[in-house]
Amino acid sequence: DGGITQSPKYLFRKEGQNVTLSCEQNLNHDAMYWYRQDPGQGLRLIYYSQIVNDFQKGDIAEGYSVSREKKESFPLTVTSAQKNPTAFYLCASSRAKNYGYTFGSGTRLTVV
Amino acid sequence: KNQVEQSPQSLIILEGKNCTLQCNYTVSPFSNLRWYKQDTGRGPVSLTIMTFSENTKSNGRYTATLDADTKQSSLHITASQLSDSASYICVVSDSNYQLIWGAGTKLIIKP
Repeated sequence: DGGITQSPKYLFRKEGQNVTLSCEQNLNHDAMYWYRQDPGQGLRLIYYSQIVNDFQKGDIAEGYSVSREKKESFPLTVTSAQKNPTAFYLCASSRAKNYGYTFGSGTRLTVV
Repeated sequence: KNQVEQSPQSLIILEGKNCTLQCNYTVSPFSNLRWYKQDTGRGPVSLTIMTFSENTKSNGRYTATLDADTKQSSLHITASQLSDSASYICVVSDSNYQLIWGAGTKLIIKP
């Protein structure tokens, strides 16, 4: 079955650590996205990629980095520069920018 | 400023009852409006996508309406079931396909 897989489901980060969230899709979608979700707020775009080896900053890219070396994979690194990383992170993909999105199940990141 | 406002913030209804969720937006120029259902701890799942020319769109017990003149949309749920308990998110796309997300309405269905 085609879908989008995020791992891990739960992640704990110590102060000063970098952590990487995985996102893999087998839908043959060109576009992939990373969103952050905080309670009581709408989803906020961190980074997006329209094509392999190319990506653009979203509204809240500071403290995050991404790579897109393969069409299927779009990992997100939360660096120590992100001062408030505790949140629910969602990865999504779409055939193109104006098509519907398919979301993964999310990764809940907590700073300990 | 492009914004999407949803109301109510939360809603509790009894199983079997109907309910309507509201979405007002100030996004311009408008491309499309989407409704998503998000179960707790899961990713959102698309319910409907509506373009400027569509007034009503149904997906099973879910019916979305769009009034592009007043910039309002509603999501009506008929004969609610316990599995309808979730957050419902309204998202508006502008002509550059930038998505503006509402904060969602949390719906709780009680038996």
